[in-house]
Amino acid sequence: SQTIHQWPATLVQPVGSPLSLECTVEGTSNPNLYWYRQAAGRGLQLLFYSVGIGQISSEVPQNLSASRPQDRQFILSSKKLLLSDSGFYLCAWSIRGAAPEQFFGPGTRLTVL
Amino acid sequence: KQEVTQIPAALSVPEGENLVLNCSFTDSAIYNLQWFRQDPGKGLTSLLLIQSSQREQTSGRLNASLDKSSGRSTLYIAASQPGDSATYLCATRPMNTGFQKLVFGTGTRLLVSP
Repeated sequence: SQTIHQWPATLVQPVGSPLSLECTVEGTSNPNLYWYRQAAGRGLQLLFYSVGIGQISSEVPQNLSASRPQDRQFILSSKKLLLSDSGFYLCAWSIRGAAPEQFFGPGTRLTVL
Repeated sequence: KQEVTQIPAALSVPEGENLVLNCSFTDSAIYNLQWFRQDPGKGLTSLLLIQSSQREQTSGRLNASLDKSSGRSTLYIAASQPGDSATYLCATRPMNTGFQKLVFGTGTRLLVSP
């Protein structure tokens, strides 16, 4: 069966500090990978998705970037965090193909102070 | 631009009741619609996926229906239990944004009392 991991589970960072969140998927190959953010009082927003190694699509211009150095690894980064980057970050995966079902990880709670 | 609305925002029921959660969307051109459950501080658990050509899907005590022409989906929970307490989210996959993107509603927070 497939599993998806995210770490860290929680993170408190000062404004202006860098960020690196990691997501890995086990039990599948060539998945599509996604990063979402869930801010307080708002719905989930797709930030990035990737259909393969080194292939990143950005949905929303912002202070964040994503990378996919390996087939089942997806990283969310920032060089300098803003207060508005606080939120719950969720990684998801799906099989390749048209409009597949997405499966989510446990999430990372980021607080920027 | 697709907008997804979930009503009610919160719902409290006694154990054993059958209940219906509503999801409406503005653009009926969708690939599919997915229902999720989210426990506090946790990730999302996929409950049901309904393709645009389908009218409903069932899993255990859950039944989800889709009426694309009217832009509505409902999630029916039979014989509710305290363990069903969570936030329920619906998400559509609009055709005009590429098949990778899910557009989420803000959810219905359900509390089932023993």
